[in-house]
Amino acid sequence: GAVVSQHPSRVICKSGTSVKIECRSLDFQATTMFWYRQFPKKSLMLMATSNEGSKATYEQGVEKDKFLINHASLTLSTLTVTSAHPEDSSFYICSAPPRGSYNSPLHFGNGTRLTVT
Amino acid sequence: KNEVEQSPQNLTAQEGEFITINCSYSVGISALHWLQQHPGGGIVSLFMLSSGKKKHGRLIATINIQEKHSSLHITASHPRDSAVYICAVGYSGGGADGLTFGKGTHLIIQP
Repeated sequence: GAVVSQHPSRVICKSGTSVKIECRSLDFQATTMFWYRQFPKKSLMLMATSNEGSKATYEQGVEKDKFLINHASLTLSTLTVTSAHPEDSSFYICSAPPRGSYNSPLHFGNGTRLTVT
Repeated sequence: KNEVEQSPQNLTAQEGEFITINCSYSVGISALHWLQQHPGGGIVSLFMLSSGKKKHGRLIATINIQEKHSSLHITASHPRDSAVYICAVGYSGGGADGLTFGKGTHLIIQP
């Protein structure tokens, strides 16, 4: 079945540095990739939707300049947390619907646990 | 914005018990997803429903569009079923509204 690969699974970085998270669709083309953030014991919150070949759509309250999203190809989307701060520590996870619709089954990456010290 | 409520928030049961997790939403939808999140964080899509009932192994998912309610059932539960189960609803319009997620039900099955 469809597989989404996310790297790294865990990263610890110092405050002020930038961290890049990659999400790849391994056996299908993903024109759309969703990026979520999850704080402990909280529900998944959609941060942004990346679209291959165009600008990402950000949810209200998510800083575009802080969370840079690039959807460089039909199989790769990246999220870069710039100038990370301890409050950015969270679980970040991507997902892609193979047919590009919210009404298609979703396939998730395994997530990235970011800790900013 | 759709409100998604799951119940119970936490559930501990003995191996073999029949488990029911409920999900209610406030606005009409085009699709409802049941997801399973394991302790490490990875998420697996269990079902996508727009009407009726679906069954996969020991898992059964039902949806009542008129009542805006869905249930996930686990028969003959097993400790490996221990996970967080998340309900998410989507819209036919898609777009930036995306999916709305419930807070999840933390299920523990004791041997």
